[in-house]
Amino acid sequence: DAKTTQPNSMESNEEEPVHLPCNHSTISGTDYIHWYRQLPSQGPEYVIHGLTSNVNNRMASLAIAEDRKSSTLILHRATLRDAAVYYCILSRNTDKLIFGTGTRLQVFP
Amino acid sequence: SQTIHQWPATLVQPVGSPLSLECTVEGTSNPNLYWYRQAAGRGLQLLFYSVGIGQISSEVPQNLSASRPQDRQFILSSKKLLLSDSGFYLCASADILGYTFGSGTRLTVV
Repeated sequence: DAKTTQPNSMESNEEEPVHLPCNHSTISGTDYIHWYRQLPSQGPEYVIHGLTSNVNNRMASLAIAEDRKSSTLILHRATLRDAAVYYCILSRNTDKLIFGTGTRLQVFP
Repeated sequence: SQTIHQWPATLVQPVGSPLSLECTVEGTSNPNLYWYRQAAGRGLQLLFYSVGIGQISSEVPQNLSASRPQDRQFILSSKKLLLSDSGFYLCASADILGYTFGSGTRLTVV
């Protein structure tokens, strides 16, 4: 399974945009880039995923580098409820998801 | 969309006792099913996955086993719990629309 590298933690203030980076230099052509987040004592929650083009949904945006070796999850306006651990994962369709350590996002009022 | 039912939410069991955690899935057919464990302050570790009834793959050697007696039922078991089996256990289901996780069972072995 291709690996991803994320910063251990990031901080943001409420109402500010947050850019969460992920490096995946060994990504293969069939790997999708998935983002999940986990709030304390809950199961992971799907955020967004993409293959080559940038993606937008109601939760976030995903910016994928042209060479696909990195991506950035963008939360346009952070809220206190966005405080969670964010996982960037490479996977092919319904393949098993292998979680790394993720990025712990703290949001300050 | 998929819905996962996992119970109980919390469980305290003595060392050496048996374990049975059940996970059922609604809203999909023939999903891939997964059991994950998360130790305190750590990431999620994949324990087992299943691509169909009776088909189980184990990811790591351990004191646990899994079974899939029906298409949308996945069971995690142990004959004798160890202290190291404590953790947060999550069931997940995946179909062509994506992954869905259950709300988890927090197991404390005492």
